[in-house]
Amino acid sequence: AQSVAQPEDQVNVAEGNPLTVKCTYSVSGNPYLFWYVQYPNRGLQFLLKYITGDNLVKGSYGFEAEFNKSQTSFHLKKPSALVSDSALYFCAVREVTSTGFQKLVFGTGTRLLVSP
Amino acid sequence: NAGVTQTPKFQVLKTGQSMTLQCAQDMNHNSMYWYRQDPGMGLRLIYYSASEGTTDKGEVPNGYNVSRLNKREFSLRLESAAPSQTSVYFCASSAWGMNTEAFFGQGTRLTVV
Repeated sequence: AQSVAQPEDQVNVAEGNPLTVKCTYSVSGNPYLFWYVQYPNRGLQFLLKYITGDNLVKGSYGFEAEFNKSQTSFHLKKPSALVSDSALYFCAVREVTSTGFQKLVFGTGTRLLVSP
Repeated sequence: NAGVTQTPKFQVLKTGQSMTLQCAQDMNHNSMYWYRQDPGMGLRLIYYSASEGTTDKGEVPNGYNVSRLNKREFSLRLESAAPSQTSVYFCASSAWGMNTEAFFGQGTRLTVV
């Protein structure tokens, strides 16, 4: 089964500093990887995805993610954090069912707190 | 621009009571999903509907049933609520499978006492 791990429950960073939220994956075959963000009392919102191609993927709100096959990682990054980036971030991997349907398996989430 | 709409937003049930969570999307999406979110466990898939007329079990289907009423609507039913079903429930939809971006509702916070 496909899985992702988010080793940090919480990441703290000061506004203006770079941020990294970590994700590692375990898959059979080529990984299709995603990042979603959840703001307080809201549903999840899509940030970006890696399917194939460039290892650096750019997404919404200035976020990007670096795919590293040798380290089986897909870390989310932003050069300069904003207080408004404070939220819960989920890494996810695509899993294909026996009927060919594609669904996502989510990690446990990492809470990002950006201090002023 | 409603997107995915869930009702109700909050609900308190007594053990053994039943209820249905409603979900509707206005994006003409084929696929719809129900997830539950619990602290430290992330999101877990309860049921999904790849397309109108089909439903399949996810990771944690026990204690739940679903109905894909039409292309827009996908409901989740708890026949006899248990405290272990206290959670936040999210409905989501996507064009076809989750290779494409999925859109989530705002969630239903359910407490079973």
